[in-house]
Amino acid sequence: SQQGEEDPQALSIQEGENATMNCSYKTSINNLQWYRQNSGRGLVHLILIRSNEREKHSGRLRVTLDTSKKSSSLLITASRAADTASYFCATGERGGYNKLIFGAGTRLAVHP
Amino acid sequence: DTAVSQTPKYLVTQMGNDKSIKCEQNLGHDTMYWYKQDSKKFLKIMFSYNNKELIINETVPNRFSPKSPDKAHLNLHINSLELGDSAVYFCASSQVMGNEQFFGPGTRLTVL
Repeated sequence: SQQGEEDPQALSIQEGENATMNCSYKTSINNLQWYRQNSGRGLVHLILIRSNEREKHSGRLRVTLDTSKKSSSLLITASRAADTASYFCATGERGGYNKLIFGAGTRLAVHP
Repeated sequence: DTAVSQTPKYLVTQMGNDKSIKCEQNLGHDTMYWYKQDSKKFLKIMFSYNNKELIINETVPNRFSPKSPDKAHLNLHINSLELGDSAVYFCASSQVMGNEQFFGPGTRLTVL
């Protein structure tokens, strides 16, 4: 079964607004990562947050991690039309081979 | 230079045929992966190789056989293709398992 589940499945906003996407997972993790996928392209790594971290920033991106609630959020501030893409969270499993398990993604549409 | 490349980008074939997808990374990474993304955008790991050794095999049918001739290459051969094999297949690599992964552009396989 899927480890990470993103919410909402789809999000439509205007340029300049903030976009927030959430991810929930089920088991213990080493880290949680967010990826972006533009239509017809491969995934691009955005940010990695380790299980002992609570918040991380990268440019207009802000990621939080709450291990007690097994959830994470990705905030994109001052969105641009170029941010239109699908966003996936992926959890690095603790134990085993630390494989990544991806959620189903949030489709973000940013309108000019 | 492309970090992770896959060929071909598109593959259309008849049921029952055998086909191969090639992947190469020039990042010097030790670990490579194959993922399958279905029509609902679920991304699921299929295989992982570390230093040419198979590490993860996620209950994939025996018709799928990965081959890693060296650390920079991980090819995927599929025998007796079925309709359900239609999907986008992504190759990825990382320096360490569970860390940031770099994805190829994907190969869209259509089985008729």
